[in-house]
Amino acid sequence: GAGVSQSPRYKVTKRGQDVALRCDPISGHVSLYWYRQALGQGPEFLTYFNYEAQQDKSGLPNDRFSAERPEGSISTLTIQRTEQRDSAMYRCASSFSGMRSNEQFFGPGTRLTVL
Amino acid sequence: AQSVAQPEDQVNVAEGNPLTVKCTYSVSGNPYLFWYVQYPNRGLQFLLKYITGDNLVKGSYGFEAEFNKSQTSFHLKKPSALVSDSALYFCAVRDILNSGNTPLVFGKGTRLSVIA
Repeated sequence: GAGVSQSPRYKVTKRGQDVALRCDPISGHVSLYWYRQALGQGPEFLTYFNYEAQQDKSGLPNDRFSAERPEGSISTLTIQRTEQRDSAMYRCASSFSGMRSNEQFFGPGTRLTVL
Repeated sequence: AQSVAQPEDQVNVAEGNPLTVKCTYSVSGNPYLFWYVQYPNRGLQFLLKYITGDNLVKGSYGFEAEFNKSQTSFHLKKPSALVSDSALYFCAVRDILNSGNTPLVFGKGTRLSVIA
């Protein structure tokens, strides 16, 4: 079956531009998570959704970052006025439900480079 | 606050030998513990998890992990390493008892290199 997909896989942008990163979770998965992973580090939580509701956005670093999941399936992470420090791998994951015991299934990630 | 420590950046082991990748954790309550593996240019893949019950958990590809509450550890093990096991391994924890959402917290990863 299809896993979590993310697009684009690679994004190079100039400082100050806006970017939108897309995540398509596993069909039927209720919960969707966004993480950011710097080189040499583990993924760090950004935000998560149950269905279309954003349950926790405490990990978003500042108000340039936002996310939505309007129909409870595909999600978009938007970064406005990008800065070089935003360069990282952005990973999306989904799980069957929001239960803490559920494992999360990760997509391949979007490598963002801000010049 | 939750945290995970993977004390080794790199582990080298000869093919056929047993391997151990170490992980210790800190949570205020009881933990849910997970191991993930990352191959080059691919997403993280789930290996195994500890929720409750038997302290020895078996997972994918012959891997297992032992939950040790007194030592707050969840080391990943395999009796006989394969070259194809070479990858980046992440340990992760979630606190069971805190109200509200507690995100999955990852360690910084350990690179396993299995030498033929």
